[in-house]
Amino acid sequence: QSALTQPASVSGSPGQSITISCTGTSSDVGSFDLVSWYQKYPGKAPRVIIHEVSKRPSGVSNRFSGSKSGNTASLTISGLQAEDEADYYCCSYVGIRSYLIFGGGTKLTVL
Amino acid sequence: QVQLQESGPGLVRPSETLSLTCTVSGGSISSSYWTWVRQPAGKGLEFIGRIYSSGSSNYSPSLKRRATLSIDTSKNEFSLKLSSVTAADTAVYYCARYELGHFDYWGQGTLVTVSS
Repeated sequence: QSALTQPASVSGSPGQSITISCTGTSSDVGSFDLVSWYQKYPGKAPRVIIHEVSKRPSGVSNRFSGSKSGNTASLTISGLQAEDEADYYCCSYVGIRSYLIFGGGTKLTVL
Repeated sequence: QVQLQESGPGLVRPSETLSLTCTVSGGSISSSYWTWVRQPAGKGLEFIGRIYSSGSSNYSPSLKRRATLSIDTSKNEFSLKLSSVTAADTAVYYCARYELGHFDYWGQGTLVTVSS
C-alpha cells in the first residue's frame, strides 16, 4: 500500500495559520480514528503532536490542532513561530492486516 | 519515564541480515506494542512492524517477507531482523512504543549502512 498523501511543502509567515492535509483511503484514514501527527527535526526522533485525530498530548502547544473528514485528515498550526519549521508526518492504522502507514511528510517553512 | 535505546551493527553487507535490538528502561515491556520505524536519508518515515508482549506481530506488507520481530520480556528488549538487505535498506532505524493509537516514546535512532 502506498504512503498516505501529504503536500511536499507548505510555508507561512510568523503569526499566520497553515494546514497540512493527509489523504488516505477507506481502509485507513476513512475507517479509523487512529490518525496521529509527528513533528520531526533533522537528526532528532519524531515527536507526537496529535493523536486519535484531534487529541493533543500533554505539553504540546494548543496552536496545534487536528481534524478529519472522510479519507482526509488535517493538521492546523496557528500563530506560526520560527520553531515550528520542521517536517511533519501523519500516520494511520490500516485495518487490513493491522499495520500502520505514514504519509510522505511535509516540510514546513516559516518565512 | 520510558526510554528506548537501539543497538546493533552500523554496517551490514549486501544480501546479509540486519539485526537490531531495542532495550527498554523505565517501564515494563510486558504491555503495549513495540515497533520499528526507519527513515532513509532524504526520505520519509516508514513503518516496519510492531510486536506485542505476547509475541503477536504485524508487518508492513512491503517488508513482511524479509522482516522478523521478536521480544524478550525477561530482558525488557525486542529485536528486528531484516534479511537479504540491499543499499535501499540503508536508513536510520528507530524503535518506538505504540500506545493508544500513537508512537509516544522513541529511541534516538541508529544509522545502518548497507555496503560491501
